Amino acid sequence: NAGVTQTPKFQVLKTGQSMTLQCAQDMNHEYMSWYRQDPGMGLRLIHYSVGAGITDQGEVPNGYNVSRSTTEDFPLRLLSAAPSQTSVYFCASSRSGGHGYEQYFGPGTRLTVT
Amino acid sequence: AQSVAQPEDQVNVAEGNPLTVKCTYSVSGNPYLFWYVQYPNRGLQFLLKYITGDNLVKGSYGFEAEFNKSQTSFHLKKPSALVSDSALYFCAVRGGTNAGKSTFGDGTTLTVKP
Repeated sequence: NAGVTQTPKFQVLKTGQSMTLQCAQDMNHEYMSWYRQDPGMGLRLIHYSVGAGITDQGEVPNGYNVSRSTTEDFPLRLLSAAPSQTSVYFCASSRSGGHGYEQYFGPGTRLTVT
Repeated sequence: AQSVAQPEDQVNVAEGNPLTVKCTYSVSGNPYLFWYVQYPNRGLQFLLKYITGDNLVKGSYGFEAEFNKSQTSFHLKKPSALVSDSALYFCAVRGGTNAGKSTFGDGTTLTVKP
């Protein structure tokens, strides 16, 4: 299994540009999440999904959109990039059926907005 | 709302000494607690979890954690630290009615010196 994959690994955007960060998992996990990691601020939840067609907002959803059309894929869209969105983005997945399942993380996407 | 606090940004220990990384949590209902580790320029890896049962849980790489319900704590421990344990450690909680949502602490950087 490839686990959780993310593309691209690095990206530089200009202010106002849009882009989509890709995330895919091959473990048939129902739960998927997007986080951003900033120095000293830990991991903050952007959006999450509990299954295909179901998404919800996390702590910091503004400026980001998600959709979940399949179990495998959970793309994150930046609508109009801003310097404040410079961060490292992680996608994660876990089994459903309760609270007790650990998350599997992708390798991350390092995004710089100039 | 659920929350996690890691009161120490940095923990320094000498190789061979015991280590403790602290975590306290707040959640409604039963807590489901996790520790993850992040090595430099890598994604997060699962270390261990508490779901129910024995308050002392054992995980990967010789780590263990002690769940204390009255103090709402879940401290990570290791009897004898290794230089290779140096990394960023995150505590996370799931609970309440939404199993798909996890909340992470800000992280603690562990440095083990030879």
